[in-house]
Amino acid sequence: AQSVTQPDIHITVSEGASLELRCNYSYGATPYLFWYVQSPGQGLQLLLKYFSGDTLVQGIKGFEAEFKRSQSSFNLRKPSVHWSDAAEYFCAVVRGSARQLTFGSGTQLTVLP
Amino acid sequence: ETGVTQTPRHLVMGMTNKKSLKCEQHLGHNAMYWYKQSAKKPLELMFVYSLEERVENNSVPSRFSPECPNSSHLFLHLHTLQPEDSALYLCASSQGRPGGNTGELFFGEGSRLTVL
Repeated sequence: AQSVTQPDIHITVSEGASLELRCNYSYGATPYLFWYVQSPGQGLQLLLKYFSGDTLVQGIKGFEAEFKRSQSSFNLRKPSVHWSDAAEYFCAVVRGSARQLTFGSGTQLTVLP
Repeated sequence: ETGVTQTPRHLVMGMTNKKSLKCEQHLGHNAMYWYKQSAKKPLELMFVYSLEERVENNSVPSRFSPECPNSSHLFLHLHTLQPEDSALYLCASSQGRPGGNTGELFFGEGSRLTVL
């Protein structure tokens, strides 16, 4: 069974609009959670991570994410999207004793001018 | 100089060829990884090396053979591949295993492989 689900394959927003990308995980204990971004022709870059503590995590490029245990979610948000945010976004979780990092299938973000 | 460098960036090979992908990290990390990224599929972890020792091999076919001669270099040797092996192969490194001190993977830009 997949450990990380990103329900939205593709999202389109206008520049300046707010953004929320969804991520749900299935894992008994509190996992370590990550968001990565992949621009075209590039590798993946870490945006932010959650291990413990404050459930609202701040990342780079103005992104934040909130861990909600009751909903098994770790959604990524940005209040105002810039054209340069167009990319693919991956949620990931570290699970199991082997500490394997498992990625969701990704959400492609398109930003309209 | 970028943190994780992969060569070549693009590779086209026939099913009977032997080729290798190379990864080099300049970050002083002690763990390195190979991931496979195919269209419409999640990233698949292939191999993990920690302190030059292979610690994970996720049921990868034997036509893929990794090599980690030292903590800065990682190779993926390719032999008699199939068209379905066409994908972007990403190398990553970390200081410690995911979920450890930093929990962050640093990725290269990938090697785009096409198998004819």
